[in-house]
Amino acid sequence: AQRVTQPEKLLSVFKGAPVELKCNYSYSGSPELFWYVQYSRQRLQLLLRHISRESIKGFTADLNKGETSFHLKKPFAQEEDSAMYYCALSPPGGSNYKLTFGKGTLLTVNP
Amino acid sequence: NAGVMQNPRHLVRRRGQEARLRCSPMKGHSHVYWYRQLPEEGLKFMVYLQKENIIDESGMPKERFSAEFPKEGPSILRIQQVVRGDSAAYFCASSAPRQLNTEAFFGQGTRLTVV
Repeated sequence: AQRVTQPEKLLSVFKGAPVELKCNYSYSGSPELFWYVQYSRQRLQLLLRHISRESIKGFTADLNKGETSFHLKKPFAQEEDSAMYYCALSPPGGSNYKLTFGKGTLLTVNP
Repeated sequence: NAGVMQNPRHLVRRRGQEARLRCSPMKGHSHVYWYRQLPEEGLKFMVYLQKENIIDESGMPKERFSAEFPKEGPSILRIQQVVRGDSAAYFCASSAPRQLNTEAFFGQGTRLTVV
């Protein structure tokens, strides 16, 4: 069965500090992995996907197949990064709508 | 473009009633996806529809749940004879015709409470 685990429900850091949001997954095969973000009173939106190897708003995520992890990192957190972050996976190939999400981590960046 | 619109935002139904959740995709989008978030869980895929076609319903419960996306009008997720376990947030997303890496845009969700 496929599963996404985000072990931290809440994460609080100070502005300028590094931040890492953890994500571990369980899947038999090589899934596609994503990070979604939901800012206060806004809709869920895609932040980044592992196949693009991109950096969005200073965030990066590295896929570690050995540890089945896809942690989200940012070297210097900003107050506007405060939001709910969801890790998600989908089957490989063209079924990237078949998303399974983790329960989410609420990140608070304090001034 | 108002984005993906879902209504109602909150819906309360008594056990045994029917729930109808609506999703209007973004302008120009012909693909709709429904997801369910049970309490204390992450979102999970339910069904993928194009206009007048169900493409993938592998995530739909086998009974009482149905979805449609007619030629005209919004997509509807219908739950018959609701039970307490149907209480959840239901999210809709839409996308343009699918290509590799097509992004789907989410609505704000409908929170269904069964009493």
